[in-house]
Amino acid sequence: DVKVTQSSRYLVKRTGEKVFLECVQDMDHENMFWYRQDPGLGLRLIYFSYDVKMKEKGDIPEGYSVSREKKERFSLILESASTNQTSMYLCASRRGGGSNEQFFGPGTRLTVL
Amino acid sequence: GQNIDQPTEMTATEGAIVQINCTYQTSGFNGLFWYQQHAGEAPTFLSYNVLDGLEEKGRFSSFLSRSKGYSYLLLKELQMKDSASYLCAADNYGQNFVFGPGTRLSVLP
Repeated sequence: DVKVTQSSRYLVKRTGEKVFLECVQDMDHENMFWYRQDPGLGLRLIYFSYDVKMKEKGDIPEGYSVSREKKERFSLILESASTNQTSMYLCASRRGGGSNEQFFGPGTRLTVL
Repeated sequence: GQNIDQPTEMTATEGAIVQINCTYQTSGFNGLFWYQQHAGEAPTFLSYNVLDGLEEKGRFSSFLSRSKGYSYLLLKELQMKDSASYLCAADNYGQNFVFGPGTRLSVLP
């Protein structure tokens, strides 16, 4: 079974703090994704990556950056957290090269005070 | 532009049949995924349609019409555990997905 893990289930940070959200997958998937999920808005894509050291902006990249130094790990960085970044963050991975499903991690509920 | 639309909420009775509709407009399209998400949990894969027609998988079936930009998820013999959100997602040429807002289904006894 594919396993996607995220470093924290719940996180509370203060405005202006730098926040790191880590995601690790164990199935050698090429593609990895970061989403945020808010009530009524569904899943919105922040960034995705096709391969190591590659990254692509999604629909809402402002205020976020990402890092993919190793194939299994995709990190989401909030350089200076703000209250409007309070949300559920979901990481996903997918095998490349075709129309394959995405496998999701359990999510990190981030609260910025 | 890209737009995926589905009803926000639906309610149905245990044992009944419910159909959740999804309409999509995307710049690229490879196929349509359906995911189930229970409250506080990660989405899990239900079905994938790439060709027009109905795909049946136990109590769940999914339909796609590419010419109409339309899909539905059909749930039969509803059970209480089917209470969840159902997300449709358009596969954008095997790159990223575009998700709809999700339909929250409540199954009543």
